[in-house]
Amino acid sequence: QEKVQQSPESLIVPEGAMSSLNCTFSNSASQSIWWYQQHPGKGPEALISIFSNGNKKEGRLTVYLNRASLHVSLHIRDSQPSDSAVYLCAVGGGSALGRLHFGAGTQLIVIP
Amino acid sequence: GGIITQTPKFLIGQEGQKLTLKCQQNFNHDTMYWYRQDSGKGLRLIYYSITENDLQKGDLSEGYDASREKKSSFSLTVTSAQKNEMAVFLCASSPSGNSDYTFGSGTRLLVI
Repeated sequence: QEKVQQSPESLIVPEGAMSSLNCTFSNSASQSIWWYQQHPGKGPEALISIFSNGNKKEGRLTVYLNRASLHVSLHIRDSQPSDSAVYLCAVGGGSALGRLHFGAGTQLIVIP
Repeated sequence: GGIITQTPKFLIGQEGQKLTLKCQQNFNHDTMYWYRQDSGKGLRLIYYSITENDLQKGDLSEGYDASREKKSSFSLTVTSAQKNEMAVFLCASSPSGNSDYTFGSGTRLLVI
């Protein structure tokens, strides 16, 4: 079964700083990596996904995937207080097509 | 745009009680999922369904039943609520074979 671990558990950054979140997974054949954002009392919302080795940039978000080291990172440039939320890493492509395995999350707090 | 609705938003039950959670989506998605979210742990898959009347057990199916009588709805039953149990149950849907999930806002369960 796919194992997904996230670090750090919590991260506090000042407004305008870069936030860097990490995720490791256990299966190099995993087909997709997703990052979700979850605000208190809400369901997770998909932020960005990556399917192949390398990096992908969307707005203030950049994702780096290294399949050889089983590592993916999410970087949020110019962090804003509204970015404060739990960020979930999810890995898909195992035995059940489409099924995602989730990490425990990183709590990000951006201080004004 | 579509929406995925979970009812009720909050559920307080008594030990040993059978409790039912409901989920409706209007995306016309084939696949639906029930996840459990506990503080400090990743989302754990309870049941999923790839089409109407199909049911597949996840990693945490013991103590739960599920039902998919229509493509648009997926219900979850806690067969015997455990005292002091507290968790959020999240429903999600996705197109067939696709990991692009849309989540509901969750049902928060407390058992007294």
